[in-house]
Amino acid sequence: DAKTTQPTSMDCAEGRAANLPCNHSTISGNEYVYWYRQIHSQGPQYIIHGLKNNETNEMASLIITEDRKSSTLILPHATLRDTAVYYCIACSGGYNKLIFGAGTRLAVHP
Amino acid sequence: DARVTQTPRHKVTEMGQEVTMRCQPILGHNTVFWYRQTMMQGLELLAYFRNRAPLDDSGMPKDRFSAEMPDATLATLKIQPSEPRDSAVYFCASGGQLRDESRYTFGSGTRLTVV
Repeated sequence: DAKTTQPTSMDCAEGRAANLPCNHSTISGNEYVYWYRQIHSQGPQYIIHGLKNNETNEMASLIITEDRKSSTLILPHATLRDTAVYYCIACSGGYNKLIFGAGTRLAVHP
Repeated sequence: DARVTQTPRHKVTEMGQEVTMRCQPILGHNTVFWYRQTMMQGLELLAYFRNRAPLDDSGMPKDRFSAEMPDATLATLKIQPSEPRDSAVYFCASGGQLRDESRYTFGSGTRLTVV
């Protein structure tokens, strides 16, 4: 699976959009981009995934560049409860294993 | 919402003792993972099963760790003998409800402390 690179930490004001970037320049054609988050002391939680088209669900939006070398997770209106570590993972799908990196620690402040 | 249930939530044990952690995957899920999380190493994949058969346990120290799925409703992770360096949070995850997706549900974890 391709390696992903994320900033170590980010801040966001409550109510504003949080844009979390991820680089995956070596991603292969059959690898999806998955996003999970882990709120303190809980298990990781699935957020969204995509292959090449942009995706949106009730939690977030995922924007994938045309060359698929990077993506951005967007939380449109961040709340204090969105404070968590966010993981971007390149995975070939088909019930494949998830390899977690260090992720981005997002702090949402009032 | 359906949940992955892990027991116990917390376990404190003495070095050298056997520890068994249990996981009840979501009904109908055919893929089960075991992860370990520490501050230093982050989330590490230990082992995973599909249709109860072990697919990959390369992340697991073989001399003391063992993982099994005696039936579709139970996965176990056993450490014998336990050591202080095994202190961590152990997560179980299950998936397989949707074909071709790696969307997994994680349990709340077992926090293990070996003294």
